[in-house]
Amino acid sequence: GENVEQHPSTLSVQEGDSAVIKCTYSDSASNYFPWYKQELGKRPQLIIDIRSNVGEKKDQRIAVTLNKTAKHFSLHITETQPEDSAVYFCAASSQGAQKLVFGQGTRLTINP
Amino acid sequence: ETGVTQSPTHLIKTRGQQVTLRCSSQSGHNTVSWYQQALGQGPQFIFQYYREEENGRGNFPPRFSGLQFPNYSSELNVNALELDDSALYLCASSSRQGSYNSPLHFGNGTRLTVT
Repeated sequence: GENVEQHPSTLSVQEGDSAVIKCTYSDSASNYFPWYKQELGKRPQLIIDIRSNVGEKKDQRIAVTLNKTAKHFSLHITETQPEDSAVYFCAASSQGAQKLVFGQGTRLTINP
Repeated sequence: ETGVTQSPTHLIKTRGQQVTLRCSSQSGHNTVSWYQQALGQGPQFIFQYYREEENGRGNFPPRFSGLQFPNYSSELNVNALELDDSALYLCASSSRQGSYNSPLHFGNGTRLTVT
């Protein structure tokens, strides 16, 4: 079955700098890759997603890139702000948005 | 637009007991998925319901079961609770139209503690 590896497990950056989180997946049939942000005690919130027919997607300060050949995808956050501090999860699915397989999460801390 | 709501928010049960968790899907959504999130881990897929039938299941034993109702709300039932069942149980809804599935939107979860 699908396996998703996420790195790093913790990441600390200065406010205003960029943050990059990377994930690899094992199932070449995977076609949907969302990223969720989870603040302490709250629900995972979808921040951006990408389907396998595109290589990059941007939404303001957030971007995701996908390399299907290498089976990895990355989250890029630019001009980081304190409110970006949270745990970020990547996920992959070979069935659209069904049956997501999540990575282990990255705890991102933005230092003022 | 009403988001995904779950009840109860917290629950404490004893090993061997049974529990029922409830979820109301976001308006306009017809599919409900359940995930288990252990402390410090990513969510793990339990199962999904579409048109009141189980439509995909993760690596969870049969004592985890569910229902979906005509109004698209759902229940997760866990029998013979074990200590390792202690986790945050997340419900997510989405809209399925033919082969297209919209992104999942999660509820706040039910924190289950088994003692």
